[in-house]
Amino acid sequence: GAVVSQHPSWVICKSGTSVKIECRSLDFQATTMFWYRQFPKQSLMLMATSNEGSKATYEQGVEKDKFLINHASLTLSTLTVTSAHPEDSSFYICSAQETGAGGYTFGSGTRLTVV
Amino acid sequence: EDKVVQSPLSLVVHEGDTVTLNCSYEVTNFRSLLWYKQEKKAPTFLFMLTSSGIEKKSGRLSSILDKKELFSILNITATQTGDSAIYLCAVEAGSNYQLIWGAGTKLIIKP
Repeated sequence: GAVVSQHPSWVICKSGTSVKIECRSLDFQATTMFWYRQFPKQSLMLMATSNEGSKATYEQGVEKDKFLINHASLTLSTLTVTSAHPEDSSFYICSAQETGAGGYTFGSGTRLTVV
Repeated sequence: EDKVVQSPLSLVVHEGDTVTLNCSYEVTNFRSLLWYKQEKKAPTFLFMLTSSGIEKKSGRLSSILDKKELFSILNITATQTGDSAIYLCAVEAGSNYQLIWGAGTKLIIKP
């Protein structure tokens, strides 16, 4: 079945530094990938839609200069949290939609702690 | 290898029917099991289960966890067309509370 690999699974960084999170579709091509942030009570907020070869579409209220998304190939999207602050500490999850298919495959998430 | 298996993959029923969706898992260091409903891009949280045998209810939806047999069920009674969606099961596991996702059950409710 379709597999999405997300790395790293856990990262601690200092305030002011940048962190890159990778989302890879291992056995399928994904024209579209999605980035989410998990909030208390396990709700997932869609941050942005990442489209291969074009600019990401950000949801309202999400700072595109802070959360840089690059989708340079059909199997890889990256989310870079720039100048991270403690309030950016969260659980970030990606999902990928196989080209031509309708289903979503989710990554296992990245737990970011900014100290 | 950690895995979460949902069944059935898809299900078509008529409005008013009751459905039961299944989620079985094999993971290391189980933390909790989560159910989500996905209609658009972002899944909507339904339930979080951590203890065996305690049913959680929200309106027509209910869910229960069996940690001995390693599965959970999600029940929807008196289904409505608005219940049509993909229902996702995810298990939090490991020291980092990673999420292992099932492939989802696509539920279609016919009027």
